[in-house]
Amino acid sequence: AQKITQTQPGMFVQEKEAVTLDCTYDTSDPSYGLFWYKQPSSGEMIFLIYQGSYDQQNATEGRYSLNFQKARKSANLVISASQLGDSAMYFCAMRDPASLYNFNKFYFGSGTKLNVKP
Amino acid sequence: EAGVTQFPSHSVIEKGQTVTLRCDPISGHDNLYWYRRVMGKEIKFLLHFVKESKQDESGMPNNRFLAERTGGTYSTLKVQPAELEDSGVYFCASSQGRGLPAKTQYFGPGTRLLVL
Repeated sequence: AQKITQTQPGMFVQEKEAVTLDCTYDTSDPSYGLFWYKQPSSGEMIFLIYQGSYDQQNATEGRYSLNFQKARKSANLVISASQLGDSAMYFCAMRDPASLYNFNKFYFGSGTKLNVKP
Repeated sequence: EAGVTQFPSHSVIEKGQTVTLRCDPISGHDNLYWYRRVMGKEIKFLLHFVKESKQDESGMPNNRFLAERTGGTYSTLKVQPAELEDSGVYFCASSQGRGLPAKTQYFGPGTRLLVL
C-alpha cells in the first residue's frame, strides 16, 4: 500500500509568492518521522526539513515550514517568498516507525516538480 | 565535512553486462542505505547496512543485485546481469546512530544507470 502520496506532479509559482506542496501519509504507528527533500536539476538530494510525530510545534527552517496536521495525516511543505533557485523536484518521505529490523527505512512520494516563474 | 559520494555519476551499459556502483557514506555514519528511482516513479528502498551487516534487504528486486559493505566503510551495489528494467537512478544515503532512529538520512547525488 502507498505510504506517501504527493498528488501534485507539477506546480507553478510566481517568484516572491508562497507555495504549498501537498503530502499525505499512511501509518498506524504513533511514532514516525516526516521529511522533505529537494532535488534540483543537478541531481543531488538536499534535506530541507524534519517533523517528528510527537513534535508539538510545526517545523520551520528559514523559508521552509511544514504544515503538520496529524489527524488528517498530512505534512505539507510551505515555501515562502519563492526564489528562482527553488525550482526543483520536491520529495516527501516518511521514516518507517521504529521496529527491531527496519527502523530506518524511508518511504518516498512520487515527487512534485516546482517551477518558479520570474 | 564531505557528504555522501557516489561513483560513477552515469553509466550506460548493454543488457547482460555487469555494473558496479559505489557509495562512500559520510565519515562516521554507521547506517548506509541504497534506494532506486525508476523513471517517473517514487524512490524505493533497496537495503540497509549497519556497519558491515545487512540489516534489511527486503527491497532488493532479485538475486541479480548484490550489495556489499566490506569493513563497514564504502559500499558497492553490483547488478549482474543487467536488464532493461534496471535503468533508473540509484541513490545512496547514510545516517548516524547505530541502534537509534536517526532523524535524517543524507543522500548522495545518485548514479544514473541506463541499460540498453
